[in-house]
Amino acid sequence: DTAVSQTPKYLVTQMGNDKSIKCEQNLGHDTMYWYKQDSKKFLKIMFSYNNKELIINETVPNRFSPKSPDKAHLNLHINSLELGDSAVYFCASSQVQGRDEQYFGPGTRLTVT
Amino acid sequence: AQKVTQAQTEISVVEKEDVTLDCVYETRDTTYYLFWYKQPPSGELVFLIRRNSFDEQNEISGRYSWNFQKSTSSFNFTITASQVVDSAVYFCAPAVSGGYNKLIFGAGTRLAVHP
Repeated sequence: DTAVSQTPKYLVTQMGNDKSIKCEQNLGHDTMYWYKQDSKKFLKIMFSYNNKELIINETVPNRFSPKSPDKAHLNLHINSLELGDSAVYFCASSQVQGRDEQYFGPGTRLTVT
Repeated sequence: AQKVTQAQTEISVVEKEDVTLDCVYETRDTTYYLFWYKQPPSGELVFLIRRNSFDEQNEISGRYSWNFQKSTSSFNFTITASQVVDSAVYFCAPAVSGGYNKLIFGAGTRLAVHP
């Protein structure tokens, strides 16, 4: 069984479009995250949610809006996509933020043309 | 600012060599957690180890071992008798309390193991 899943795996779109990435975890964890990995492999947290409540909101443009309908799901919606948004986006989950290991989804490679 | 440094950008070894990946971090916390992750060429992020700061015993798991030195804020990772399948980018990531215990990932060390 897949622990943390993301869809789609690849996303190619044009500048200005709006897109969403979905994430689901079946580990029963309370906390979920979104990370962005750039072309140099630098990995940075964007958001974290604990039981549907936003905990971390890094300095991410307002065009990025996470939504957590329940603690097993954390989706990422991006408005007005820009070239600089091209990256790999990882969803992750853990039980307690900062104490427990995080389990990552397979990643979504977003390419904005 | 609390940060983590993985000074080795790339390491290239021949199979069966031992290799150590360095990690040095800054933190104002007295207790904290540290993690290592592996990212193979396929792209997924794989959890390797979690260490809490109040346990300074070194840990060994098969060919992998970790040396934690709280006094020097280092958490180094050694692979013994490396194999081609160990080729990956390895990330060290301390959890920092000043940021709601978020993980701060180092820049990663790319390890290439050649046959």
